[in-house]
Amino acid sequence: EIVLTQSPGTLSLSPGERATLSCRASQSVTSNYLAWYQQKPGQAPRLLIYGASNRATGIPDRFSGSESGTDFTLTISRLEPEDFAVYYCQQHGNLGYTFGQGTKLEIK
Amino acid sequence: QVHLQESDPGLVKPSETLSLTCAVSGGSVSSYKWWSWVRQPPEKGLEWIGEISHRGNTDYNPSLKSRVTISIDKSKNQFSLKVNSVTAADTAVYYCARHIAVTTYRGFDYWGQGTLVTVSS
Repeated sequence: EIVLTQSPGTLSLSPGERATLSCRASQSVTSNYLAWYQQKPGQAPRLLIYGASNRATGIPDRFSGSESGTDFTLTISRLEPEDFAVYYCQQHGNLGYTFGQGTKLEIK
Repeated sequence: QVHLQESDPGLVKPSETLSLTCAVSGGSVSSYKWWSWVRQPPEKGLEWIGEISHRGNTDYNPSLKSRVTISIDKSKNQFSLKVNSVTAADTAVYYCARHIAVTTYRGFDYWGQGTLVTVSS
C-alpha cells in the first residue's frame, strides 16, 4: 500500500502570506493519479488539484500543485481568509485510493 | 450540475449492517464511469471505502473488503453501500462521491454533504 505523509501537521500563517504544503509518497505515484482537497469544518472535501498540477473547475489561480519524484506540493500564493482549512492529498494505486493524514492551515 | 445526497440511517447497533444510499440528481449514474464511498471518523482523516463503475464493477479498500458491498441501481439513479458486522470503529461521516470524468486522471469532483452514522447499542 502506498502511504502518503503530509507535512507539516499544522501550518500557522497570516492572510497574504504564501503557504507550502507537502505530501510525500512511500513509493512511486503516477502523477496523473495525485489530487489535493480542501475541507472546511462540517463540509465535504472540495477537489482543488488533480493530476498533481491541474486546477479543478472554479479553483482560483492562487492554488497550484507541483511534483518532484515522490514529493508533491500544494502552494497557495497569497492566503485569503477563506483558505484556512484542512488539506488532504490523495493517490490511486494498485490497492485503490489512499489519503494523506491532512495538514491543518490555521490563522496565525 | 450533479448533486449527490446520502441517505440518513442515523444509529446502527453493533454487529448489525450499515446501509446507505447515494441518490444522484442532475445527471445519470450511467453517464459517469466511477462512483465511490469515503468515510471520516470524528476528528480524523479521510478513508476510501470502495468504488463502483456504471457497469457494476467494484473495487474495495483491502482493510474493509470482507465486510463491504457496493451496488448500483440505474433505474433509481443511485448507488448503495453495505457494511456488515459494524463496531464502534465504523462510526463516521460517510460521503458518496463522483470520480473525475476524464479517465486519464483520478480524483473525486462531486461529493455528497455527508451523513453521520453512529454505531451504538
